[in-house]
Amino acid sequence: EVHLVESGGVLVQPGGSLILSCSASGFTFSYHAMHWVRQPPGKGLEYVSGIGSGRGSTYYADSVRARFNISRDNSINMVYLQMTSLRAEDTAVYYCVKGSENYFLYYHMDVWGKGTTVTVSS
Amino acid sequence: EIVLTQSPGTLSLSPGETATLSCRASQLFDSSYLAWYQQKPGQAPRLLIYGASSRATGFPDRFSGSGSGSDFTLTINRLEPEDFAVYYCHQYGSSPITFGQGTRLEIK
Repeated sequence: EVHLVESGGVLVQPGGSLILSCSASGFTFSYHAMHWVRQPPGKGLEYVSGIGSGRGSTYYADSVRARFNISRDNSINMVYLQMTSLRAEDTAVYYCVKGSENYFLYYHMDVWGKGTTVTVSS
Repeated sequence: EIVLTQSPGTLSLSPGETATLSCRASQLFDSSYLAWYQQKPGQAPRLLIYGASSRATGFPDRFSGSGSGSDFTLTINRLEPEDFAVYYCHQYGSSPITFGQGTRLEIK
């Protein structure tokens, strides 16, 4: 069974930094793209970032480009989201999501983690 | 950017009825890249439909997706109590990847 477990969500001050981690199991991690999707409190879903299976290809929403960095370590089945220059509008539940294939575009996302909460506030 | 507009915002129906949820795109795109997700309160979203009409594992055939071009529909026949949730459409074929704002399906 596929399992995705996010960690690292905390309360952080505006302008601060944070690294979210996602531990994956139950599938051949190196074959699949991985994604981060967020959901602000009481609101809808927003795609944040994706990374292809081979780490070389990455994608960012305009709202986080130049502030967030996605990476993965296929040797330990982990994906990360490094978040810098955090703003109040980054407050959300952040979900780690498995891609159905090796690229983040053109293939749907099929399994979601339970999410980790990031709160940006002074 | 492909903007997905879902309607209605909230749909109030009774168990046993049929729900019809709409997702309209701001431009034409390949239906191969359209998905629907179901989200219940306090839970993560769950893949329901991909490729506009392929049903994900674990969902009964009461759920069906259809559409092409810029108009897509999620139909839920014979509503069960566990079907009441928020449903999001999502396109993954064009950058930026986008979601609709969601339709809340509530018990009448």
